[in-house]
Amino acid sequence: QVHLVQSGAEVKTPGASVKVSCKASGYTFTSYGFSWVRQAPGQGLEWMGWISIHNGNTEYAQKFQGRVSMTTDTSTRTTYMELRSLRSDDTATYYCARESGYGGNKNYFEYWGQGTLVTVSS
Amino acid sequence: DIVMTQSPDSLAVSLGERATINCKSSQSVFYTSNNKEYLAWYQQKPGQAPKLLIYWASTRYPGVPDRFSGSGSGTDFTLTISGLQAEDVALYYCQQYYSTPRTFGGGTKVEIK
Repeated sequence: QVHLVQSGAEVKTPGASVKVSCKASGYTFTSYGFSWVRQAPGQGLEWMGWISIHNGNTEYAQKFQGRVSMTTDTSTRTTYMELRSLRSDDTATYYCARESGYGGNKNYFEYWGQGTLVTVSS
Repeated sequence: DIVMTQSPDSLAVSLGERATINCKSSQSVFYTSNNKEYLAWYQQKPGQAPKLLIYWASTRYPGVPDRFSGSGSGTDFTLTISGLQAEDVALYYCQQYYSTPRTFGGGTKVEIK
């Protein structure tokens, strides 16, 4: 049974960085990619980017280019999303989502983590 | 970027009745090389993460009740809930995975009338 468990809620000040983790279990970790999707309070879903666990390739939404990094540690079956230079409008719940495949961006999101609330406030 | 537009923003349906949600993409999400529509539907209940309902526009994900169905092609798609149940109260999102960035519709809130 596939399980994705994310790290706990974070409170950050503007300008800081946050790193959210997503630990996977229940399947062959390197066979599927991950996307990160965020949802501001009361708002819709926004795709941030994608990482291939197979080879570490990444692709980020233009909006987040230069501010986001997605990495993976295959030894612990964990993928990470780091967002830098945080602003108040980065306050959101951040979700990891396991993709339906590993080979590129033409995948839907088959499994989701429980979400991590990141609050940015001075 | 492909813009996904959902309608209506919200709808209230009586228990047992049909709910219909529309989703329109700003360009085709049909991939000719495999004859597939790159369109998915997700359900998000309050305080929960989204869950996959439908992929390839009309393929129900395992475990999803058969009252949920997806249809459509090209740029116009529909999610139908036939016989609304109380547990179907949620937000519903369409999403294209044809191209980067993968984009979502704005969501449709389904409530009980």
